Amino acid sequence: GENVEQHPSTLSVQEGDSAVIKCTYSDSASNYFPWYKQELGKRPQLIIDIRSNVGEKKDQRIAVTLNKTAKHFSLHITETQPEDSAVYFCAASYRRGGATNKLIFGTGTLLAVQP
Amino acid sequence: GAGVSQSPSNKVTEKGKDVELRCDPISGHTALYWYRQSLGQGLEFLIYFQGNSAPDKSGLPSDRFSAERTGGSVSTLTIQRTQQEDSAVYLCASSLTRAQETQYFGPGTRLLVL
Repeated sequence: GENVEQHPSTLSVQEGDSAVIKCTYSDSASNYFPWYKQELGKRPQLIIDIRSNVGEKKDQRIAVTLNKTAKHFSLHITETQPEDSAVYFCAASYRRGGATNKLIFGTGTLLAVQP
Repeated sequence: GAGVSQSPSNKVTEKGKDVELRCDPISGHTALYWYRQSLGQGLEFLIYFQGNSAPDKSGLPSDRFSAERTGGSVSTLTIQRTQQEDSAVYLCASSLTRAQETQYFGPGTRLLVL
């Protein structure tokens, strides 16, 4: 079945420290893995994504790594700032009936960056 | 340009009533998705549209839920005979052509069933 597990559910770090959020997916055909950030009361917004043909992607303080063999992918935020505080969702594309037509989301990680 | 819009932003209804939620995707986006987010929970997939057709309705919780899309643009999610457990934020998203692209979310409709 389709499933994405996300850990931890909550994460508290000191400003300037790094934060790592991990996800595991079940569909070996998944080939697209986005990460969304949702601030309180706001809509989810894409912060970074990775496709199955690469193992790592960076964008300033944010990086994502992908291990297709283990079906794991992770979000890394370095030099965290208070404005990074939000709920982060991972997702994996899912193929049904031969067509990839949706994303399955993890349950979210509440990141709190303490000043 | 304009992003994804949804209406109403908030809806309070009584148990047993029907409600309609509307989504206006980004112009030119052929793929449209509906999700449900309960308080403090993740994003639960409901239905996917490609143009006006819905290849995947697997996430609809029951036959009280239905959705349609007309003209390859606006979509309406209808919940009949609402129940208290239907209370949640209903989010709509669109992407240019397919799921493996950035999905842009609307602000959501907060539904409260009393």
